[in-house]
Amino acid sequence: EPEVTQTPSHQVTQMGQEVILRCVPISNHLYFYWYRQILGQKVEFLVSFYNNEISEKSEIFDDQFSVERPDGSNFTLKIRSTKLEDSAMYFCASKPRTGEREQYFGPGTRLTVT
Amino acid sequence: QQQVKQSPQSLIVQKGGISIINCAYENTAFDYFPWYQQFPGKGPALLIAIRPDVSEKKEGRFTISFNKSAKQFSLHIMDSQPGDSATYFCAASKAGANNLFFGTGTRLTVIP
Repeated sequence: EPEVTQTPSHQVTQMGQEVILRCVPISNHLYFYWYRQILGQKVEFLVSFYNNEISEKSEIFDDQFSVERPDGSNFTLKIRSTKLEDSAMYFCASKPRTGEREQYFGPGTRLTVT
Repeated sequence: QQQVKQSPQSLIVQKGGISIINCAYENTAFDYFPWYQQFPGKGPALLIAIRPDVSEKKEGRFTISFNKSAKQFSLHIMDSQPGDSATYFCAASKAGANNLFFGTGTRLTVIP
């Protein structure tokens, strides 16, 4: 069964450094998402991406964040200058097409900012 | 503003018992209500979902009950098993929007 994959599984970085989290959505899915989950808290929406542009973003997704689909398979989240409060699990998700509501999540990347 | 409220925060059930998790929402524009199951260290996995045009949906041991007038929906796990021990999140989304609003999660423990 196709699944969303994410790399790395765990990333440790120093405050102020740039990080790039990578995702490979399910093939032939058209909608892509990033969510985050601070330890012990609920999953929060960051951004959605369709047709090579951001379609929605939350107030968490400020100028420090950016997303990109550099080729036909990868979907990346970049945090330009990490802060301690960026430490969280970051989940990528994808959805097949317009009208379909089910989003399929990857296993996540644990980001630790020290 | 908490769009989706979930209770209880944790739940302990004996094997074979019924687990019930409740969610409530405020935004009447929500029209899709999924439940996700999450094991430690893993991403949320879609378990079952309902639209507001039906009051109940059943898939195996998992049932969603939906009360549109009360703006509430719940997950029932029949014949709960130790393998069901996980965190369960309810969520909601609006037509035309992309993001899911998640509840705060319920940690379920099923005791053998």
